[in-house]
Amino acid sequence: DAGVTQSPTHLIKTRGQQVTLRCSPKSGHDTVSWYQQALGQGPQFIFQYYEEEERQRGNFPDRFSGHQFPNYSSELNVNALLLGDSALYLCASSPFSIEETQYFGPGTRLLVL
Amino acid sequence: KQEVTQIPAALSVPEGENLVLNCSFTDSAIYNLQWFRQDPGKGLTSLLLIQSSQREQTSGRLNASLDKSSGRSTLYIAASQPGDSATYLCARKDAGKSTFGDGTTLTVKP
Repeated sequence: DAGVTQSPTHLIKTRGQQVTLRCSPKSGHDTVSWYQQALGQGPQFIFQYYEEEERQRGNFPDRFSGHQFPNYSSELNVNALLLGDSALYLCASSPFSIEETQYFGPGTRLLVL
Repeated sequence: KQEVTQIPAALSVPEGENLVLNCSFTDSAIYNLQWFRQDPGKGLTSLLLIQSSQREQTSGRLNASLDKSSGRSTLYIAASQPGDSATYLCARKDAGKSTFGDGTTLTVKP
């Protein structure tokens, strides 16, 4: 079992550009959540996908959007990048149950110049 | 607003010490609480998950407790080792999302 995988591992963009990050959940998991982690802070919840729909959203602007595919993999898209979007973006997967542990991927480090 | 606070922000101990990391949260109506470890620049590794109906969980040298009435959780690490050096994060899990503290960065000196 490969666990949760994310790509790319690192990314450098300039202000105003758009970026797409990808996540493959752990085998058997159907729910994917995305988090943004700024340096020295805890992860902040962006949104969660289940059954190809956004189920819950944190306090992030509409520039942040996502998608879930039938195979449960997911993408995070960020438009009109700002310097403040520089962070580690983490994907977590779990079964759709509040009782279950979330498993996190290694993250994608995004640097916006 | 649901908040999670971790104190201290950083902790340095000599090898072999037993230590306690603290996590406090507002709103006692949580579903569960999870402790994670994060190495520099890496993702999160789940250590322990305590369901809302439980009071503690143990794994090896780690023991986590949950007191919903006081809004507190503690992570106890026995006989600390240099390999335990990392940032430890707690997260309360509610319907659909987890809310994290900013972590405690632990350094265990040989």
